[in-house]
This record gives sequence, C-alpha cells and structure tokens, in this order.
Amino acid sequence: NAGVTQTPKFQVLKTGQSMTLQCAQDMNHEYMSWYRQDPGMGLRLIHYSVGAGITDQGEVPNGYNVSRSTTEDFPLRLLSAAPSQTSVYFCASSYSRGAGPSYEQYFGPGTRLTVT
Amino acid sequence: KNEVEQSPQNLTAQEGEFITINCSYSVGISALHWLQQHPGGGIVSLFMLSSGKKKHGRLIATINIQEKHSSLHITASHPRDSAVYICAVSPSGSRLTFGEGTQLTVNP
Repeated sequence: NAGVTQTPKFQVLKTGQSMTLQCAQDMNHEYMSWYRQDPGMGLRLIHYSVGAGITDQGEVPNGYNVSRSTTEDFPLRLLSAAPSQTSVYFCASSYSRGAGPSYEQYFGPGTRLTVT
Repeated sequence: KNEVEQSPQNLTAQEGEFITINCSYSVGISALHWLQQHPGGGIVSLFMLSSGKKKHGRLIATINIQEKHSSLHITASHPRDSAVYICAVSPSGSRLTFGEGTQLTVNP
C-alpha cells in the first residue's frame, strides 16, 4: 500500500491564483481530513469527510473547498490564493478500530505552499 | 487558552536520558494521540489511547482520564529520537485537536 499520498510536495502561487492540492489513500479509509500547520499554532483542521459524498467544515475553512466523490480521493481547492494561506498542508485518513470511537490516523507527507 | 496544552515547548537532553513530555487537555475525549514529526516534515502516529498505558519499544504513553492528562516517556533516549512530538485529542469521531508540539533534541 502507498498509504496517503499528496501532490505536489511544493508549490508557489501568486495572490489570486487558484489551485488544487491532491490527496489520495489506498487503505479504504472512510474518514479523511485536511490540516494546515503554521509556526507556533499547531495543526488546524480545514475540512473533513466521513465518507464519499459527505464533507464538513473544520476550524479554518474560509478560502478552501473540498469534495469527496470517491473513497480514495479528497482534493483541497484554493479558490483565490492569499499570502495568509502560506502554510504546510497535511492530508490524513483514519478508520475506526473495532467497535469503539477511536480512530487511528495516517498522514500524508505534506505540501508546502507559498503564496506571494 | 488552548484545548490542548503541551509542556515543555522545547527540550534538550543528553543521549541516554529519560525524557517526559506532558499533555493536558480541557475537553471530553474519545481518544488521545501522540504523533511524531521528523525534520523532514512527515507525521507518524506513535500511540492512540483512551485509558491506561501503552508501550512500544523505548516509548511509553500514559493517560489519566480523570485528571485530563497524558505523558509520553522515552527511555534511554537517542539522537534519532530528535523530532517534534505532538499531542492530539479526539473530542468526537475522527476529528483531532492538536497541541503546539514539543521540540526534542537529543545530543550525543
């Protein structure tokens, strides 16, 4: 299994440009999430999905869109990039172990985005 | 005040030392996670626990649900343990709330 993959690894955008960060997992996990990591702030949840066709907002959703048309893919779209979106973006997938409410997390390698 | 607080923020140790990183949280949780982020940036899950104690090699994680507190211990630390250690909690479902992380440096 490749696990969770993200592309691209690095990206530089100009203010106002749009782009899509790709995330895919081959573990048949039902849950997928996007986080951003900024210095001194820890990871913050942008959007998440509990299954194909179902998405919801996290803590910092403004300026981002997501969709989940398949179990495997969960792309993150930046509609009009702003310097405040300069960050490292992580995609994660998870599944529920057994009957309990605990979810083992698997992270992608991250995408480092700079908006100038 | 953050829902998840870690201490210390930075920790420097000599090889072989016993290391403890602490995590306190203020919300009800279904599970607590300890994650490791190496200088290359990748994040891996070390432990997921909802009660008691777990051990994997030289790493031990404990949680006290009543006190809303968890600790990550590293025995016989080694320079390859140098990384950022992140505590995260699941208030519900698969969503995580993260601490800011503890930067650990182990010198030879």
